[in-house]
Parts: sequence; structure tokens; C-alpha cells
Amino acid sequence: KQEVTQIPAALSVPEGENLVLNCSFTDSAIYNLQWFRQDPGKGLTSLLLIQSSQREQTSGRLNASLDKSSGRSTLYIAASQPGDSATYLCAVRPNGSARQLTFGSGTQLTVLP
Amino acid sequence: GAGVSQSPRYKVTKRGQDVALRCDPISGHVSLYWYRQALGQGPEFLTYFNYEAQQDKSGLPNDRFSAERPEGSISTLTIQRTEQRDSAMYRCASSSLYTEAFFGQGTRLTVV
Repeated sequence: KQEVTQIPAALSVPEGENLVLNCSFTDSAIYNLQWFRQDPGKGLTSLLLIQSSQREQTSGRLNASLDKSSGRSTLYIAASQPGDSATYLCAVRPNGSARQLTFGSGTQLTVLP
Repeated sequence: GAGVSQSPRYKVTKRGQDVALRCDPISGHVSLYWYRQALGQGPEFLTYFNYEAQQDKSGLPNDRFSAERPEGSISTLTIQRTEQRDSAMYRCASSSLYTEAFFGQGTRLTVV
């Protein structure tokens, strides 16, 4: 059974810092990995999707990397802003016909002004 | 529609009552998923559909939970004889066959 772990569970940084969020998964037979942002009272917003054949994806100040063989992904946020404060979730989709995502528990990020 | 729509946004029900949660996916999306999220945890898979066919219901916790998508569009998740442990955020997502899933805002269910 796939297990996804996110470290740290919570992180507080001053505005302007660069930071890295970590995600690990136990079964490397994945189809893709996705990073989401969750804001209180709102839905999950997809940030980046990395296919299993890719090593990284970038969107603005966000960069996500994937090392499938070691079961790890990182989300790098450059020049953090208070508006980045949210919970960040990673999720993996398995190979094959199963299409459901397995999520980690998330990292709660607070960026202090 | 423009996004995945879930209703109601909030539902408070008494223990033992049945509840029905609705999900209206993005127009044209083939796949529809239901997840349940406890406080401080990530969403956990419940079930999913391709068109009107339920492909996997292995995540439904017991037989009080059921879901349907009779016309391959709107889906309903029904919980019978609710219990306090059913209190959670219920999330719906939809996708086309080969793209990422888009999530709705969720339904917060509280069983008192």
C-alpha cells in the first residue's frame, strides 16, 4: 500500500526566505506526482504536476522536483511572501488503471511579514 | 460549469440521519472522485467513477456509504445512519481521462 509522508508538518519562515518542502512515497511505481495548495475554507488548488518521466516542473516562484527511484519530491518556493501561507499537500497517482490519488498529511506553511 | 461545485458547503445533521452530498463536475470531465479529509490530514480516497460506472469503491469505509453517478455527470455520496465519526470534509474532484484532477470546495459535514 502506497504511503506518502510530508516533512515538516509545519514551518514558519520570515518573508523573503527561500524554502523547501519535502514529500516521500514508499512505492516508486507512480504515474505522476502533484503538489496542491489548501487554503482554509477553500478547495485544493493544483500547483504543479510532474509526470513520472520528468525530473522537475516550474511555475513562477515554485519549482518541484521528482526522484522516482528514491521515492522523493521537493517543492521549492523562492522569495516567500505572506500570501504563500497555506497548507501544501503532495499526492501520487499509481501506474496502471487505478487513478485515485494518495495524499500526504501536508505541510502547514506560515510566512511572517 | 467553470469549476467543480459541491453542495451543500456545510451540513449539520443529527446522529442516525441520512445525508446526501452532491458534486457537479467540470463539464465534459469523464472521471469523478470522492475523498474524505479529517482535520490535519490529507484527503483519503473513497470512490471514483468513469462516466456512470463506479470503477473503484475500495475506500468506502463501510456499507453505510454509497455513491452514484447515474447519467455520468452529477454524483451523489450518501451516508446512511450517520455517526459522529463520519464528521469530516468531503471533497469531490473531476478530471478528463489523461489530465490532472480539479477539486471542489468541499462539504463540511458535522454529525451531532
